[in-house]
Amino acid sequence: DAGITQSPRHKVTETGTPVTLRCHQTENHRYMYWYRQDPGHGLRLIHYSYGVKDTDKGEVSDGYSVSRSKTEDFLLTLESATSSQTSVYFCAIAPGGNTGELFFGEGSRLTVL
Amino acid sequence: RKEVEQDPGPFNVPEGATVAFNCTYSNSASQSFFWYRQDCRKEPKLLMSVYSSGNEDGRFTAQLNRASQYISLLIRDSKLSDSATYLCVVLTSGGSYIPTFGRGTSLIVHP
Repeated sequence: DAGITQSPRHKVTETGTPVTLRCHQTENHRYMYWYRQDPGHGLRLIHYSYGVKDTDKGEVSDGYSVSRSKTEDFLLTLESATSSQTSVYFCAIAPGGNTGELFFGEGSRLTVL
Repeated sequence: RKEVEQDPGPFNVPEGATVAFNCTYSNSASQSFFWYRQDCRKEPKLLMSVYSSGNEDGRFTAQLNRASQYISLLIRDSKLSDSATYLCVVLTSGGSYIPTFGRGTSLIVHP
């Protein structure tokens, strides 16, 4: 299995509090992604990174920011969590090229009360 | 219109049945195609890539039709363990490397 871990795996927080989710990889892959998955919507891209300090927005980036200061870490921050951000968050990594395979972390379940 | 469309199902089939899923994509520049499998409350995992000539892996066959912009997944001799959600994934060439996921098709195989 690809070396990718997410933390925390579960978190319950209150509206208005900041939250940071961490994705850590040991594969030295170039691409890293944050998705959220909600019933009826499937996986939706929040932000992605194509290198250290190189990030860009996905389709549902409002209310989220990211940082990638090292190849192995990709942080997702909710500056002020809202109940609509209750979701399961998946980090994924990819080497790029034509293989197309993404390796996913086990997910982080976030509940905002 | 979503870039990648799938019938959400659920497809409810008996063991041993053959079942087929289709997925359509809207971007004609799409280059690479994949099927992922996701078990309940788990992360998605690659099931198989889809090649232009079609490809088979055991009971699973994937086909690509570029002219009509759809891919398909055929599962023969369904097993109980095939119950899962199957996600269609499309990768479009260009400056960014962003796979786009369909919403998934749910399969339930019953005894």
